[in-house]
Amino acid sequence: DVKVTQSSRYLVKRTGEKVFLECVQDMDHENMFWYRQDPGLGLRLIYFSYDVKMKEKGDIPEGYSVSREKKERFSLILESASTNQTSMYLCASSRLTYGYTFGSGTRLTVV
Amino acid sequence: KNEVEQSPQNLTAQEGEFITINCSYSVGISALHWLQQHPGGGIVSLFMLSSGKKKHGRLIATINIQEKHSSLHITASHPRDSAVYICAVIRGSQGNLIFGKGTKLSVKP
Repeated sequence: DVKVTQSSRYLVKRTGEKVFLECVQDMDHENMFWYRQDPGLGLRLIYFSYDVKMKEKGDIPEGYSVSREKKERFSLILESASTNQTSMYLCASSRLTYGYTFGSGTRLTVV
Repeated sequence: KNEVEQSPQNLTAQEGEFITINCSYSVGISALHWLQQHPGGGIVSLFMLSSGKKKHGRLIATINIQEKHSSLHITASHPRDSAVYICAVIRGSQGNLIFGKGTKLSVKP
């Protein structure tokens, strides 16, 4: 069964901490995406990557960075976590415009 | 104005009812997805459409490219259909999705 796996379902971090959210896919997909989902705002794109070591900013990249050193892994980094980054984070992958598969999400709370 | 608009935002139905969720978009697209999100967060792709109609079990999705409109229908609804249904359109050749804000469906027994 094809999968996108996010390393944590729930995470609690302190303000100012550096936070890593990991996402791994086993489908050899070129594209990988990080979204955050907030009530009333829906899903918003933070960053995406269409190839190893390539990254593009999405709609809300401020306060985040990403890393894609291997095709299967796409990491989202919160350099200095803040309370307004408390959210649900969803990773997805696709083969170009097909085969979208989402992870189960990581609910991050910054205290 | 959002590029993808869904209606209604919330929908409560009795088991067995026929349900329709609508999606309108204002941008040029290559395809449209209907997604399902259950409590707990995980999202599943139900359909990807670029024209016409698709059916899977009790779910039917249609799209009218000229009118920039899509509908998701659920026949003989069941409490296990309770979820958030999200319309998303594919923008650009690299496949970025633009999402609607979702329709929260609750089916009562």
